[in-house]
Amino acid sequence: EVQLLDSGGGLVQPGGSLRLSCAASGFTFTSYSMSWVRQAPGRGLDWVSSIGDSGDRINYADSVKGRFTISRDDSKNTVYLQMNSLRTEDTAIYYCARYDFWRNYLDYWGQGTLVTVSS
Amino acid sequence: QSVVTQPPSASGTPGQRVTISCSGSSSNIGSNTVNWYQQFPGSAPKLLIYSNNQRPSGVPDRFSGSKSGTSASLAISGLQSEDEADYYCAAWDASLNGVFGGGTKLTIL
Repeated sequence: EVQLLDSGGGLVQPGGSLRLSCAASGFTFTSYSMSWVRQAPGRGLDWVSSIGDSGDRINYADSVKGRFTISRDDSKNTVYLQMNSLRTEDTAIYYCARYDFWRNYLDYWGQGTLVTVSS
Repeated sequence: QSVVTQPPSASGTPGQRVTISCSGSSSNIGSNTVNWYQQFPGSAPKLLIYSNNQRPSGVPDRFSGSKSGTSASLAISGLQSEDEADYYCAAWDASLNGVFGGGTKLTIL
């Protein structure tokens, strides 16, 4: 059974940093790209970043480019999102998702982790 | 404000058929396949339709998708109360960036 466990969210002040983790199980991690998608309170889904199965093909939304960094540790079956220079508008639930790059879809999602940026 | 547009709301009565539209551009929907996601309050999204019109295992055939040019649509026939949820279309653009529609809240009357 495919499982994605998101963690690392919390309350942080504007300008602060946070690292999210997504632990994957139930599939061959090295065969899949991974993505992060966020959802601000009461708002829609917003794609944040993706990373290829080999750690290549890294892309970011313009709103986070230069502040967020996606990475993966295949030895731990984990994908990370390092978030720096956080802004109040980054407040959201962050979901990791398995990205089937060749079929162009996100087929499994984590339960999400809440990031609140506030002073 | 998303570059892919959906109506903010839709509604129907049990048993009816409802469609949700999704309008994009040549750089996203027009050049790639469309997926649809279903999300219930407090839960993570779930893949509902992929590659424009394919259903993952377990998704009822009451749900169908289509795409033409830079637009796509999701149709739900035989509406049931449990279909009340938010629905999002999504695609990848030419730069491999993900794009979601703004979402449509479906209400069963």
